[in-house]
Amino acid sequence: KNEVEQSPQNLTAQEGEFITINCSYSVGISALHWLQQHPGGGIVSLFMLSSGKKKHGRLIATINIQEKHSSLHITASHPRDSAVYICAVGYISNFGNEKLTFGTGTRLTIIP
Amino acid sequence: GAGVSQSPSNKVTEKGKDVELRCDPISGHTALYWYRQSLGQGLEFLIYFQGNSAPDKSGLPSDRFSAERTGGSVSTLTIQRTQQEDSAVYLCASSTRSFFTDTQYFGPGTRLTVL
Repeated sequence: KNEVEQSPQNLTAQEGEFITINCSYSVGISALHWLQQHPGGGIVSLFMLSSGKKKHGRLIATINIQEKHSSLHITASHPRDSAVYICAVGYISNFGNEKLTFGTGTRLTIIP
Repeated sequence: GAGVSQSPSNKVTEKGKDVELRCDPISGHTALYWYRQSLGQGLEFLIYFQGNSAPDKSGLPSDRFSAERTGGSVSTLTIQRTQQEDSAVYLCASSTRSFFTDTQYFGPGTRLTVL
């Protein structure tokens, strides 16, 4: 079982729909990131959070530490939101080193 | 510089050759990360530098992989005796201090093809 699980793996929606992408993890994290990878391959960091909720434009990220779950929401989705969204978690290993692990990503396609 | 840069952008090599991949982080960023993304696969963490030191090298896939960072700036990832399974996009990122406290900024990647 992966340490980070994302769902759904693929999501197709109509322009304007409200989008939710989920991330569940099994390790005790120090921080969680949401990344966006465009079809050309470039990666952009969207959010870094360790508690609560953050909002940037039409994007909202929430995290529930007790339930080990985070969600990324997109309001009023647009075709330019089409990308792969990746959840990444940072945690301290048993040896005291910072470790990073990634979900496999959610491929989002927004149809005009 | 304005962002993280990587060179070369593309590298085609023959099996068994050594390759060096370079990463120039954002000026002033003390943390630097190397990742690998194989075709159709997710991101894989390779190694992380805080300054010039790499506390944990266990993410490197084999002893053919090594990385160094000098002067707290430029980093090179070296792959010796390349194999076809090394073909992937190698991504570098940097952040002000730490993955736990700061946003990571990604470079465009180096696409490595081993024939």
